[in-house]
Amino acid sequence: KAGVTQTPRYLIKTRGQQVTLSCSPISGHRSVSWYQQTPGQGLQFLFEYFSETQRNKGNFPGRFSGRQFSNSRSEMNVSTLELGDSALYLCASSLEGGGADTQYFGPGTRLTVL
Amino acid sequence: AQSVTQPDIHITVSEGASLELRCNYSYGATPYLFWYVQSPGQGLQLLLKYFSGDTLVQGIKGFEAEFKRSQSSFNLRKPSVHWSDAAEYFCAVGASGGSYIPTFGRGTSLIVHP
Repeated sequence: KAGVTQTPRYLIKTRGQQVTLSCSPISGHRSVSWYQQTPGQGLQFLFEYFSETQRNKGNFPGRFSGRQFSNSRSEMNVSTLELGDSALYLCASSLEGGGADTQYFGPGTRLTVL
Repeated sequence: AQSVTQPDIHITVSEGASLELRCNYSYGATPYLFWYVQSPGQGLQLLLKYFSGDTLVQGIKGFEAEFKRSQSSFNLRKPSVHWSDAAEYFCAVGASGGSYIPTFGRGTSLIVHP
């Protein structure tokens, strides 16, 4: 099976712009989670989607949003970019998203905000 | 709320030496516990996981971890470290239930000297 893929791998944007990141989960996985990873804050949970519905949400401002399509592919959007949004954004998929589920991570999208 | 503490930010070992990375968790019930490894510029890869049963868990790449309820710990061990093991290691805890937000530790950076 192909792993979790994320596109693009690298992005450079300027403050105030918006960005959309894409994640394709492993075939058959219905849960997709997004994380932000920074040296200062570590891995922080953004949100989780299951069957096209946001099921869990972390403590991030409304500028961060996401969606999931019927084929389980997911996108996350960040509007009005700030310098502090520079990070590695990781997507992870799992079968059902339950506590016992193993999450499989993609390679991430490295976002740099100038 | 669950939490994870990885007390060591950096650990340096010589190639061939044994390794133990510490992880302490806080959770009211029996947790689901995971260890992930992240190589530079990559996503996270699952090393091993504990749900129930035998408290000594074997993983990939020669790693093992032991769940100790009395100490709320889930330490990762390897008898002989290879230079390719140099990476960032993350402990994570997941709660039982239909949906959950996994909590990750801040990570331990492993440096391997030749």
